[in-house]
Amino acid sequence: GDSVTQMEGPVTLSEEAFLTINCTYTATGYPSLFWYVQYPGEGLQLLLKATKADDKGSNKGFEATYRKETTSFHLEKGSVQVSDSAVYFCALGEDNTDKLIFGTGTRLQVFP
Amino acid sequence: NAGVTQTPKFQVLKTGQSMTLQCAQDMNHEYMSWYRQDPGMGLRLIHYSVGAGITDQGEVPNGYNVSRSTTEDFPLRLLSAAPSQTSVYFCASSFRGGEAFFGQGTRLTVV
Repeated sequence: GDSVTQMEGPVTLSEEAFLTINCTYTATGYPSLFWYVQYPGEGLQLLLKATKADDKGSNKGFEATYRKETTSFHLEKGSVQVSDSAVYFCALGEDNTDKLIFGTGTRLQVFP
Repeated sequence: NAGVTQTPKFQVLKTGQSMTLQCAQDMNHEYMSWYRQDPGMGLRLIHYSVGAGITDQGEVPNGYNVSRSTTEDFPLRLLSAAPSQTSVYFCASSFRGGEAFFGQGTRLTVV
């Protein structure tokens, strides 16, 4: 079945450092791809999404490009802030359904 | 806007007890789902519904029941709680193909 693999954390960075969180997927059909973020004590909220190959999703300085040839959707940010500390989940929306398949999550810790 | 509302936020159960986790959304979304979040496991789909009167199993349905009598409500029932069901539970809703909105979660401990 469809699956998502993302890098294990925690990822620890200093403020203003460059961030990459890797995500790869296995899927049949043409899935949509998402990054969700979970701040401490809260539910998940959508950070960005891409619905087809070569689409770039972006929001709040984060971006990710849907790469069909490498089945990847890596999350990047040029300069992280302490307020970006959270758990980030890569997810796949199965083709023709509304099921979301999540990766295991990557905890990001940003220090001043 | 209320969005997706889950109750309770915290619950402690004894092994063998039953309970219902409530989930309500006010966005008229067709699709609703329940996930459990465990350390190192990400979110795993328990049950989902594509509309009132229609439910289906996800990845980890055993020990849980759901029903969808209205568009707004999607309760999750634990039939006989077990320590393995200790987890954080999230309800989500969306339009078909749209962004999923999540509730704040219910932290359940089974002792």
